[in-house]
Amino acid sequence: DAGVIQSPRHEVTEMGQEVTLRCKPISGHDYLFWYRQTMMRGLELLIYFNNNVPIDDSGMPEDRFSAKMPNASFSTLKIQPSEPRDSAVYFCASSLGTSLYFGPGTRLTVL
Amino acid sequence: AQSVTQPDIHITVSEGASLELRCNYSYGATPYLFWYVQSPGQGLQLLLKYFSGDTLVQGIKGFEAEFKRSQSSFNLRKPSVHWSDAAEYFCAVGSSGNTGKLIFGQGTTLQVKP
Repeated sequence: DAGVIQSPRHEVTEMGQEVTLRCKPISGHDYLFWYRQTMMRGLELLIYFNNNVPIDDSGMPEDRFSAKMPNASFSTLKIQPSEPRDSAVYFCASSLGTSLYFGPGTRLTVL
Repeated sequence: AQSVTQPDIHITVSEGASLELRCNYSYGATPYLFWYVQSPGQGLQLLLKYFSGDTLVQGIKGFEAEFKRSQSSFNLRKPSVHWSDAAEYFCAVGSSGNTGKLIFGQGTTLQVKP
């Protein structure tokens, strides 16, 4: 199994631009999570899905952030418009049962 | 409030020495506890987890952790550290209802001296 796949691995954009992060979870996993990691706030849960349905988006910082999971093998996290304070590493993770598997992350830099 | 505290931001140990990384949690329900390791530029890898039963749990790479309910602690240990163990270690807590919805500690960076 290839594990959780995220793309791109690095993204540099300018303030005000739209950013889309992509995730392919491990096949068969029924939960998908988006986490954000920053020096100041550590690892924070943004949103998670169960069987493609968003369950809890209380961690999404603002309306500028949105996430979708159109099918069991794909999810996106979109930031529009992006701001410098959105610079962070964004992790996607999936689980089936009690173990959570993280992707390698997308390092986002907003100039 | 639910929280996880890792009191040590940075620890340096000599290769071959023993290691203990501290973790304290505050959680209203029965906690499910985890330790993850993150190498530079990588995602997080699960080292071990505790749900119930024996309070001493074994994980991968020779790590173990002990759950102490009275102290609200879940410390990670390794008897002999290898240079490849240098990484950042995260303690996390979740609930039985959703073991992916985790609250993470701030992490402890482990440096290993040759």
